[in-house]
Amino acid sequence: AQSVTQLGSHVSVSEGALVLLRCNYSSSVPPYLFWYVQYPNQGLQLLLKYTSAATLVKGINGFEAEFKKSETSFHLTKPSAHMSDAAEYFCAVSDPTGAGNMLTFGGGTRLMVKP
Amino acid sequence: EAQVTQNPRYLITVTGKKLTVTCSQNMNHEYMSWYRQDPGLGLRQIYYSMNVEVTDKGDVPEGYKVSRKEKRNFPLILESPSPNQTSLYFCASSFFRDRGYNEQFFGPGTRLTVL
Repeated sequence: AQSVTQLGSHVSVSEGALVLLRCNYSSSVPPYLFWYVQYPNQGLQLLLKYTSAATLVKGINGFEAEFKKSETSFHLTKPSAHMSDAAEYFCAVSDPTGAGNMLTFGGGTRLMVKP
Repeated sequence: EAQVTQNPRYLITVTGKKLTVTCSQNMNHEYMSWYRQDPGLGLRQIYYSMNVEVTDKGDVPEGYKVSRKEKRNFPLILESPSPNQTSLYFCASSFFRDRGYNEQFFGPGTRLTVL
C-alpha cells in the first residue's frame, strides 16, 4: 500500500521568499510522484511529475521538486514566492507497476503569501 | 477545448433525497474517477471506471453508486445522502494503459452540502 504525508497543513511565506512544501511517501516499489495545485474554486492542475527520469523535475510557474529515494521525499520548492502562488498544493503517488491511473494523495498544504 | 465538466457546481440538499452529479469529458479517455476532498484528508477515491460498463470501488465507496454507459459520461449517484457526505467532489479522467503514467485531468468540482 502507498501513502503520502505532507508536513504542514498551512505554510506562510513573504512575497519574494523561498517556498518549501514537504512531501514524504511510502511505497513498496519506486513510485511515480506528482504535485498538483488547486487555486480557489478550481479543480486540480498538474504542476510537475517524476516518472523515473531526472530526479530534479521542473514544473510550471517556476516550481521544481527533487526526488530523493534515500529520504523517500519529493519536496516542492520555488526560489521566490509570488502573491499568485497562494493556493493549496497536493502531493500524490502512483504505482508504476499497476494500472497507471491510481493516485494516492497527501492531505494538502495551503500556501499563504504575505505582501 | 479539452475539458472535464461537472454539474451542478454547488448543491444543497436534505438527508435522504436522491441526487446525481454528472461528469462528462471530451478527450476520449477510457479511465474516469470520482474523488471527494475533505480538509486535512486530501482527495480520496470513491469509484473508478477503466472503460464502458467496467467500474470498481475506490477507497471510500460506501453510500455512492456510479454507472458508465457511455465513454464520455460517469455520473455519481447518492441514493440516500447523509450529512457525512457533505464534501467537495471531483471527477477526473485519463487515458488508460496497463503500466506507466497517465496524467489525470480534473473537473472544477461540485460542492455538496447535505442538511
